[in-house]
Amino acid sequence: KQEVTQIPAALSVPEGENLVLNCSFTDSAIYNLQWFRQDPGKGLTSLLLIQSSQREQTSGRLNASLDKSSGRSTLYIAASQPGDSATYLCAVRQPGNTPLVFGKGTRLSVIA
Amino acid sequence: DTEVTQTPKHLVMGMTNKKSLKCEQHMGHRAMYWYKQKAKKPPELMFVYSYEKLSINESVPSRFSPECPNSSLLNLHLHALQPEDSALYLCASSGLVSSTDTQYFGPGTRLTVL
Repeated sequence: KQEVTQIPAALSVPEGENLVLNCSFTDSAIYNLQWFRQDPGKGLTSLLLIQSSQREQTSGRLNASLDKSSGRSTLYIAASQPGDSATYLCAVRQPGNTPLVFGKGTRLSVIA
Repeated sequence: DTEVTQTPKHLVMGMTNKKSLKCEQHMGHRAMYWYKQKAKKPPELMFVYSYEKLSINESVPSRFSPECPNSSLLNLHLHALQPEDSALYLCASSGLVSSTDTQYFGPGTRLTVL
């Protein structure tokens, strides 16, 4: 059974710092991996989707990498801002009629 | 338009009430999902509809009854809920269940059961 782990569970950094969030998964047979952002009490916003054949995806200050063979992904946030404060979730999609498997998330606080 | 809408935003109901949550998307997606999320936990899948047919039911109690009247709408009918059912209920959609597409989430309905 696929398990997704996110480390750290919580992170507090000063504004302007570059940071890395980690996601690991136990079964490397995945279709894709998706990073989401969730503000308190709100829905999930998709940030980046990496297909299994890709190594990385970039959007603005965000860069996500995928190493399928080692079961790892990282989300790199450059020049962090207070507005980046949120919970970041990673989720993997496996082949077949299967749902997304989520990690428990990393709660990020960027301090001004 | 990459929007999934959900109504109502907030719902307070008693244990004997019957209410419904509504979800709508106009992206032509053929897979729609209901998730339940408790505070500080990741979303838990409840139901998946594929081409308006229920394809996955994650052993959800019968007091939750999903309905997909057409390809754009997804409802969740609630009856005789318990206080522990209080949570954020999220709807999502994607091109197909087994596709490589992004899942788009709605803003959620915050449900409180008294």
